[in-house]
Amino acid sequence: DTGVSQNPRHKITKRGQNVTFRCDPISEHNRLYWYRQTLGQGPEFLTYFQNEAQLEKSRLLSDRFSAERPKGSFSTLEIQRTEQGDSAMYLCASSLFGQEDSPLHFGNGTRLTVT
Amino acid sequence: AQSVTQLDSQVPVFEEAPVELRCNYSSSVSVYLFWYVQYPNQGLQLLLKYLSGSTLVESINGFEAEFNKSQTSFHLRKPSVHISDTAEYFCAVSGGNDYKLSFGAGTTVTVRA
Repeated sequence: DTGVSQNPRHKITKRGQNVTFRCDPISEHNRLYWYRQTLGQGPEFLTYFQNEAQLEKSRLLSDRFSAERPKGSFSTLEIQRTEQGDSAMYLCASSLFGQEDSPLHFGNGTRLTVT
Repeated sequence: AQSVTQLDSQVPVFEEAPVELRCNYSSSVSVYLFWYVQYPNQGLQLLLKYLSGSTLVESINGFEAEFNKSQTSFHLRKPSVHISDTAEYFCAVSGGNDYKLSFGAGTTVTVRA
């Protein structure tokens, strides 16, 4: 169990640019979740996958956001035409669906700063 | 849908003193309850969880939480804190088979010597 890995750890970008983040879940985990966390707040759910299928998207996920998990392993989260309001920590988590007591395991996050 | 309210945003406490972090939830279905801890610039780590069975659950580092269905609460306690317990603590709830978590706003615990 090497844990959930997220890259990059930090990303600074100018408003209007596109950014992409990567998440590598725990290898045997079939569910993958993306959350966003702003300063002083708890994480907010964005979307989740079971294997390669995206099962739910939050209303927080505007049309500028897209997430993929093409082979049911790693996932990417892309933000197009970034805005200053997108500045946040983006957290990825994975779990094993089918095991009731499999909690979400979180990565260390990608901190995005939009200038 | 589920939601969580953490009643205290900041809790300062002296080393070796007890601490209690309050968490209330709302849900129309049976729930699973969790406490996560987040150290600076890190992701969230699971502290403890309630799925079923005994309403009192414990972590390996001395924290405990009690599920109270009638009061819809899941308060976190530790009888004697250490400096290393300084962190942000999040209460979370999930319900249904999506297992996605709804988090509270967090409680920052600052332990002073």
